Amino acid sequence: AQSVTQLGSHVSVSEGALVLLRCNYSSSVPPYLFWYVQYPNQGLQLLLKYTTGATLVKGINGFEAEFKKSETSFHLTKPSAHMSDAAEYFCAVSASGNTPLVFGKGTRLSVIA
Amino acid sequence: DTGVSQDPRHKITKRGQNVTFRCDPISEHNRLYWYRQTLGQGPEFLTYFQNEAQLEKSRLLSDRFSAERPKGSFSTLEIQRTEQGDSAMYLCATHRAQGSYGYTFGSGTRLTVV
Repeated sequence: AQSVTQLGSHVSVSEGALVLLRCNYSSSVPPYLFWYVQYPNQGLQLLLKYTTGATLVKGINGFEAEFKKSETSFHLTKPSAHMSDAAEYFCAVSASGNTPLVFGKGTRLSVIA
Repeated sequence: DTGVSQDPRHKITKRGQNVTFRCDPISEHNRLYWYRQTLGQGPEFLTYFQNEAQLEKSRLLSDRFSAERPKGSFSTLEIQRTEQGDSAMYLCATHRAQGSYGYTFGSGTRLTVV
């Protein structure tokens, strides 16, 4: 079975500062990993995904994440936060892409001007 | 590509009533998923279809819940005898089974049971 732990239910950063959202996963088979963003009263939008190959993946809106198997982590980063990045972020895992996604509880990102 | 469409966006119902939600997927997406999201939580898997076949149901899906995808296109999720604990956002997501990973989500249906 797969599971995801997102450390920190709420992260607050200043505009222009580094964004780091933490995600650790558990999977008995090679995982496929995803980050989604959700704005209020909306569905989820895919930011980026790791399936196979290069462990550093780049996504939309300047976000990137690195798959570290030894640490079972897939942390999301962005060099410089923008006010429009304020939203809820969810990490998710699937067993080789063939099982339903399992989501973490989410991290709410606030950006302070 | 018109996206994943969910209807209605909001539903308020009295406890004990039945409700039905609809999801229209992206046309070439043959996998369709239903998730439930409560306040402050991530989406929880309920069930999914490949074409018209329902392949998996979560233990969260009590016998009051039923989902269909009769022609492999749109899907419906029905909740019978609603309870206050059913209040949540119900999300539909779709993708192509082959060669594509990561779902496209609809905007969800927010259910409030009073």
